[in-house]
Amino acid sequence: DGGITQSPKYLFRKEGQNVTLSCEQNLNHDAMYWYRQDPGQGLRLIYYSQIVNDFQKGDIAEGYSVSREKKESFPLTVTSAQKNPTAFYLCASTPLQGVNGELFFGEGSRLTVL
Amino acid sequence: EDKVVQSPLSLVVHEGDTVTLNCSYEVTNFRSLLWYKQEKKAPTFLFMLTSSGIEKKSGRLSSILDKKELFSILNITATQTGDSAIYLCAGGGRGSTLGRLYFGRGTQLTVWP
Repeated sequence: DGGITQSPKYLFRKEGQNVTLSCEQNLNHDAMYWYRQDPGQGLRLIYYSQIVNDFQKGDIAEGYSVSREKKESFPLTVTSAQKNPTAFYLCASTPLQGVNGELFFGEGSRLTVL
Repeated sequence: EDKVVQSPLSLVVHEGDTVTLNCSYEVTNFRSLLWYKQEKKAPTFLFMLTSSGIEKKSGRLSSILDKKELFSILNITATQTGDSAIYLCAGGGRGSTLGRLYFGRGTQLTVWP
């Protein structure tokens, strides 16, 4: 079945460690996004990419990094520079012709820093 | 600065009640407004609105956009416990911001039996 797969679903990390969240889609979508969600905060955009080997910072990119080496993959690294990394992370995608239309979301990854 | 503001942030009702959720937006070169429902994990798409005054309907849910007042509402009639969720509103623009959506903080709706 087509969709977006995020892994891991739950992740614990110690302070000072980098962690990479995986996002893979088999929808043949061009654009991919990473959002962060904190309680009562809605979704805030971290990074997005509309084509391979290109990506743009969102509103809260500090302490995060991404890559887009393949169309179907958009991993997010949470670095030790991110001050409050504990959050729910959502990956999404959309076809370019549907941009500003429906976003298709993965099931999310919940990161807890101990 | 582009932004989307939702109200109320939290709402508690009883089954059978009708609710109205509000969303105001300021998005450069506005193109579309979207509503999502989020229960536990991934938000699920409800509506996309691009034109003023045209109501979109799906069962007990309906939504309308006012591009003059920069406002949208989501109505849910005859609420059920299964409607309990966070409802997210998001705005998208054209040009340099093409491809990204601005989300509001969401309205947490709780429906009691």
